[in-house]
Amino acid sequence: DQQVKQNSPSLSVQEGRISILNCDYTNSMFDYFLWYKKYPAEGPTFLISISSIKDKNEDGRFTVFLNKSAKHLSLHIVPSQPGDSAVYFCAASVDRTTSGTYKYIFGTGTRLKVLA
Amino acid sequence: KAGVTQTPRYLIKTRGQQVTLSCSPISGHRSVSWYQQTPGQGLQFLFEYFSETQRNKGNFPGRFSGRQFSNSRSEMNVSTLELGDSALYLCASSLRGRNEKLFFGSGTQLSVL
Repeated sequence: DQQVKQNSPSLSVQEGRISILNCDYTNSMFDYFLWYKKYPAEGPTFLISISSIKDKNEDGRFTVFLNKSAKHLSLHIVPSQPGDSAVYFCAASVDRTTSGTYKYIFGTGTRLKVLA
Repeated sequence: KAGVTQTPRYLIKTRGQQVTLSCSPISGHRSVSWYQQTPGQGLQFLFEYFSETQRNKGNFPGRFSGRQFSNSRSEMNVSTLELGDSALYLCASSLRGRNEKLFFGSGTQLSVL
């Protein structure tokens, strides 16, 4: 059961345009969301995160939007640059305070290609 | 500050063998988690350790095990290797392991022949 889904395996965007990467989740208990970027043969690097108490968070060219009612989050990259070409993973976390444990669930990734 | 260090970087084993992977977290980080990445499957959670205790475990067979030492360094062991175990194994560390960003190492690429 894939609780975090990235339904678009790949996306191509022209340099300078907006890239929109989407992520859907099924567990309403998730309360923290993150986006990571991954280049081949490297570990994922953190991009941006958002808490469930917010609906938007910005950091430079990256903005994450959270729609809790739709259980949907998206990452906007404006303007897109060739160096942004990578695989992007969304992740969700639930803080099970009753048991003191937590778990991060990752999506399957979207490969973004920014064309020069 | 040094990042998360994983060794070895590459590993080739044959079916039936066992393997041990090592992870040194960022200094001060007490939470270490392990993930398996295979093509098309994203990052699958293996387990997470905090202060030498396994706090959470993913849906992997018992052949996959791990431990954490008092200095927060962690090891992951896979026994009786199968062809399907070929993957990139990633280690991530964080301060407390609760609703905060994870810092990943570069991974160990395991090939099982």
